[in-house]
Amino acid sequence: GEDVEQSLFLSVREGDSSVINCTYTDSSSTYLYWYKQEPGAGLQLLTYIFSNMDMKQDQRLTVLLNKKDKHLSLRIADTQTGDSAIYFCAERRGFGNEKLTFGTGTRLTIIP
Amino acid sequence: DTGVSQDPRHKITKRGQNVTFRCDPISEHNRLYWYRQTLGQGPEFLTYFQNEAQLEKSRLLSDRFSAERPKGSFSTLEIQRTEQGDSAMYLCASSRLGGQGRDEQFFGPGTRLTVL
Repeated sequence: GEDVEQSLFLSVREGDSSVINCTYTDSSSTYLYWYKQEPGAGLQLLTYIFSNMDMKQDQRLTVLLNKKDKHLSLRIADTQTGDSAIYFCAERRGFGNEKLTFGTGTRLTIIP
Repeated sequence: DTGVSQDPRHKITKRGQNVTFRCDPISEHNRLYWYRQTLGQGPEFLTYFQNEAQLEKSRLLSDRFSAERPKGSFSTLEIQRTEQGDSAMYLCASSRLGGQGRDEQFFGPGTRLTVL
């Protein structure tokens, strides 16, 4: 995951928006993903974006992609206690390259 | 439950022993992946199959590791002569080969391996 970077921690007050950031290095990345991992569990696919898109919205989740700066963000609106988890961004590099390269994850803590 | 399943969920073994993990993908998924996740890190790719063919292996997959998917359905990951550094969560994922949802990898709950 050394080529995909994320901040390790984020604390947000309940009801506020959370913004989790990610930078990647491979300009040939085709898809970029956000996964959620709760303690002791596997990864839950939240959303993903194709590299020719700038934005994707899915209910409370908004993904923004700045391909020029290789920057990806995930905004969670109206953050709830159930959103507490580790969030991973991942890139898939090129068509025919199926593996995902993950960041180290951002631990999101919700303050009541 | 029609998601990816893994067995066992936890495995404790002594150094030098062999262990085998099983993954059952989502039934219509042709592709199956293995990843390893150590504490505080993101998952790292190990290998993947398309049907029964193993198409890519990471350099992380030393010769003590072997993965199979004999009939293109479930897969096994075997670690021989385990070392303490093998302690990790082993995650399996699956995806479709084509059509709607082909770019989505769905993960199982993982097998946590502890080598004493």
